Amino acid sequence: QVQLQESGPGLVKPSQTLSLTCGVSGGSISSGGYYWSWIRQHPGKGLEWIGYIYYSGGTYSNPSLRSRLTISVDTSKNQFSLKLNSVTAADTAIYYCARVIPGYSNSWFRGGYFDYWGQGTLVTVSS
Amino acid sequence: QSVLTQPPSVSGAPGQRVTMSCTGSSSNIGAGYDVHWYQQLPGTAPKLLISGNSNRPSGVPDRFSGSKSGTSASLAITGLQAEDEADYYCQSYDSSLSGSVFGTGTKVTVL
Repeated sequence: QVQLQESGPGLVKPSQTLSLTCGVSGGSISSGGYYWSWIRQHPGKGLEWIGYIYYSGGTYSNPSLRSRLTISVDTSKNQFSLKLNSVTAADTAIYYCARVIPGYSNSWFRGGYFDYWGQGTLVTVSS
Repeated sequence: QSVLTQPPSVSGAPGQRVTMSCTGSSSNIGAGYDVHWYQQLPGTAPKLLISGNSNRPSGVPDRFSGSKSGTSASLAITGLQAEDEADYYCQSYDSSLSGSVFGTGTKVTVL
């Protein structure tokens, strides 16, 4: 059974960098075959896809966040990470990590679906 | 930023059948990309309910069913139970975003 667990500060000051890590157990990120993703949910609102990463380091990200976003992977620790810089109150949300079952169209990666999720971690941006 | 539109709420009595729609466009559902559905119980992470338009993962009751046609998809719950009270989200891939998109979410209330 794959399990994912988010970790990181629950409070970040405006203009600083939000950093989260997702630890994966029950399976190896480096075995391939899956992508890994970050998703967030603003309080009382819907879900917003943030980005994907593959074990080799290839990433895809939401254009609305791309200029502030870094997603990375550490296969030696079986974890992947999110860094979002220059945060504002609008970045206050529950952040989830998830495993992606990939979808392909004409051999091109075309997203997929999220079969395992972490429990989520609330990050509040406030001074 | 949701590009998939869902009704805000649906409700039904125990035992009834309810359905909810997920309407997209030619850059996502209408382009042929699969639709997936998630159930989010209060205070918990979303859980995969339906993948690939109509496939139920192991452990999901067959009361839940999904379908897709054109630029829309639907989720049906038959034999509604109190435990089905939750938020439901559809999700697909959008070629203009080059990433995943979620629906606006539908809250199911069991009367």
